[in-house]
Amino acid sequence: GENVEQHPSTLSVQEGDSAVIKCTYSDSASNYFPWYKQELGKRPQLIIDIRSNVGEKKDQRIAVTLNKTAKHFSLHITETQPEDSAVYFCAARAFGNEKLTFGTGTRLTIIP
Amino acid sequence: DVKVTQSSRYLVKRTGEKVFLECVQDMDHENMFWYRQDPGLGLRLIYFSYDVKMKEKGDIPEGYSVSREKKERFSLILESASTNQTSMYLCASSLKGEQYFGPGTRLTVT
Repeated sequence: GENVEQHPSTLSVQEGDSAVIKCTYSDSASNYFPWYKQELGKRPQLIIDIRSNVGEKKDQRIAVTLNKTAKHFSLHITETQPEDSAVYFCAARAFGNEKLTFGTGTRLTIIP
Repeated sequence: DVKVTQSSRYLVKRTGEKVFLECVQDMDHENMFWYRQDPGLGLRLIYFSYDVKMKEKGDIPEGYSVSREKKERFSLILESASTNQTSMYLCASSLKGEQYFGPGTRLTVT
């Protein structure tokens, strides 16, 4: 089955700096890669996703890049703000399969 | 807006008790999921269902069972609760792609 590894497990950055979280996956059939944000005490929510037919996707201050050859994808957050502090999860899903395999999460702390 | 609700936010049960966790979604989604969330381990899939009365094992099904008698409701059952099942349990539903999560149930087994 699919295996998703996520690094780092914790990340602290100064407010205004950029943050990068990286994930690798094992199943070459995976073609959908979402990122979820979970604020303290709240449910995970989708913030951005990418499909295997594109290499990069942006939405304001967040972007995701995908390298299918190397089987890794990354979340980039620019101009970080205190409200970006949360746990971020990457995930992967194969075509025709509704099941997501999640990474172990990254706790991002923005230092004011 | 998709709404996924769970029957309890906090639950305390004793070892050996039978525990029912219920999840309801209001968007007619075909797929529903049960995860447990533990620090450092991320979200691990226990069971999922892609239709009424259909279920498939996830990555950690041992000690759990599920029931889906109606499309909107997916129940997780701990037949005989054990202390190692103390965890946060999250339900989710999806139609195609995005999964929508419930608020979670923090279960403590003493």
